[in-house]
Amino acid sequence: DTAVSQTPKYLVTQMGNDKSIKCEQNLGHDTMYWYKQDSKKFLKIMFSYNNKELIINETVPNRFSPKSPDKAHLNLHINSLELGDSAVYFCASSQVGEGHTGELFFGEGSRLTVL
Amino acid sequence: RKEVEQDPGPFNVPEGATVAFNCTYSNSASQSFFWYRQDCRKEPKLLMSVYSSGNEDGRFTAQLNRASQYISLLIRDSKLSDSATYLCVVKPDTGFQKLVFGTGTRLLVSP
Repeated sequence: DTAVSQTPKYLVTQMGNDKSIKCEQNLGHDTMYWYKQDSKKFLKIMFSYNNKELIINETVPNRFSPKSPDKAHLNLHINSLELGDSAVYFCASSQVGEGHTGELFFGEGSRLTVL
Repeated sequence: RKEVEQDPGPFNVPEGATVAFNCTYSNSASQSFFWYRQDCRKEPKLLMSVYSSGNEDGRFTAQLNRASQYISLLIRDSKLSDSATYLCVVKPDTGFQKLVFGTGTRLLVSP
């Protein structure tokens, strides 16, 4: 069973379009994240949700809007896509708090190409 | 200065070699430290946590020097399957779970 699954794995679209990436985790974790890995392989946090509440919101354009309908799901919607949005978007989850290492479990990534 | 800095490599080593990677971090209040491994076109996975006293997991040894804000990873008896990018990861503060990743050091182990 896949622990953190995200769809789609590949996404090719035109500038100006709107697209969504979905993520689900079956690990029972209470915290989920979106990370972006650019062409230089730099992995940077975008958002984090804990029990459906937004707790980390890095400097990300308003065109990016995360949504967490429940603690097992975290989706990412991107409006008006730009060339610079081309990257691999990784969803991750972890269990935080006493007695937990906080290890991040990543999904396989969603490779977005904006033409 | 970047929060977490690593030598990008690549480090090209023969099988059986010992190789060491270094990482420096800028926030002296950083709480937790990790090494993650990322294979080509795959997701990052935890390799090991780094403890203050240093720790070992098989062929892998991690060290932390808080005074110098420096973390290291030593791989002994390199295998072909060790070829990957090694990411130094730091939790900068006591705040909520936010891990900062270095840009990674690429290792290529050849026969």
